[in-house]
Formats: sequence, C-alpha cells, structure tokens
Amino acid sequence: SQTIHQWPATLVQPVGSPLSLECTVEGTSNPNLYWYRQAAGRGLQLLFYSVGIGQISSEVPQNLSASRPQDRQFILSSKKLLLSDSGFYLCAWTRTGTEAFFGQGTRLTVV
Amino acid sequence: QKEVEQNSGPLSVPEGAIASLNCTYSDRGSQSFFWYRQYSGKSPELIMFIYSNGDKEDGRFTAQLNKASQYVSLLIRDSQPSDSATYLCAVKGGGTASKLTFGTGTRLQVTL
Repeated sequence: SQTIHQWPATLVQPVGSPLSLECTVEGTSNPNLYWYRQAAGRGLQLLFYSVGIGQISSEVPQNLSASRPQDRQFILSSKKLLLSDSGFYLCAWTRTGTEAFFGQGTRLTVV
Repeated sequence: QKEVEQNSGPLSVPEGAIASLNCTYSDRGSQSFFWYRQYSGKSPELIMFIYSNGDKEDGRFTAQLNKASQYVSLLIRDSQPSDSATYLCAVKGGGTASKLTFGTGTRLQVTL
C-alpha cells in the first residue's frame, strides 16, 4: 500500500531563517506531488506541483521554492522566512485522475 | 473568478437531518471531482470522488455532479455530531500535468 511521510510535524523558526520541509511517498512510482499551505481558518493554497523529477510548477510567486530530486521525494525550501510564511503545510500525492492523499502536515510558526 | 468556489458557512444542521454542501468550478475541462473532510488541525481525508454526471452514493454520503452547470455537491444523510468539520471540494483537470485545486471549504456544524 502507498504511504506518504511528511516531517517535521511542528516547527518554530525565527524570521530570516532558512526552511526545509521534506515529503516522501512509498509504494508507488511517478506520482504527481503537491505542496499546499493553509493559513489559520483558510482554505488550501496550492504552492507547487510536480509531475516528474526536476519538473516543478509554481502557482504563487513568493520566497518559497520546491525541488524534486528523486521520483518520490518533494522538498519545500526557503532561504529567509517571513512572518507571513506561518501556516499548515501539506504535501500530497496523486496519480493521474485519481484522488489525492495527504501527509500529516507541518505546522510552521515563524516568530 | 475563483477556480473552485464554496460557501464558507458555517452551515448548521440538527442531528439526523440532511446536510447539503455545494461547489462550483470554472474550468469546463475538469475531469475529476473530490470531497474531503478536514477536522481542525488535521490533514484532509477523502470522503468521495466522482467522475461522471449524476449521483454516486457511499453509505450516508451522496456526491452529485452536473458538468453542464459546473456544479458538484455533497449530501450527508442522518448527520451526526462527528460530521462537524470543514468540507473541501477539489477539482482536477484531465492529463498528467493537471493540478488539483481546492475550494476554501464549508464549515459544517451538526447540532444536538
């Protein structure tokens, strides 16, 4: 069966510090991968999605970036965090036309 | 115009009643439609998916799709307090490069 791992679960970072969130998928190959952010009380905002290694589509211009160094690994990064980067970050995977499965999420607080 | 629109609620229904949640989408090329439930502080979990026009039933849940009207809905029969959550509508286009877009969600409150 397929599983998705996302870590860490919670993170408190100072403004201006770097960020690296990692997501890995097991039990499937060539998944579509997504990073979403959810601000408190808000909906899911699509940040990045990837249909293959090295293929990244950015939905919202900001100080975040994403990379997909391996087929089942998706990384969200920032060189310098802003207060507005606080939120609940969710990684998800899907195959073409099928439902998306989410990781447990990372709650990021920038202080 | 937002790509996927939902009423944010809260939608309040008494226990045992039918809850009706609605969603409209803008991309006529959309192929797949999903309903997720999200409890506070948790990640979304899939409830239903529907690909074809008409109704699809699974237990107490029924998804309805009308592609001509670009409308998808979720009915919850015999609503329970445990159904109180935010319900997210998601839409995906066809093809390998299609993205999954979510609405902002409707908060459902089932009252005793």
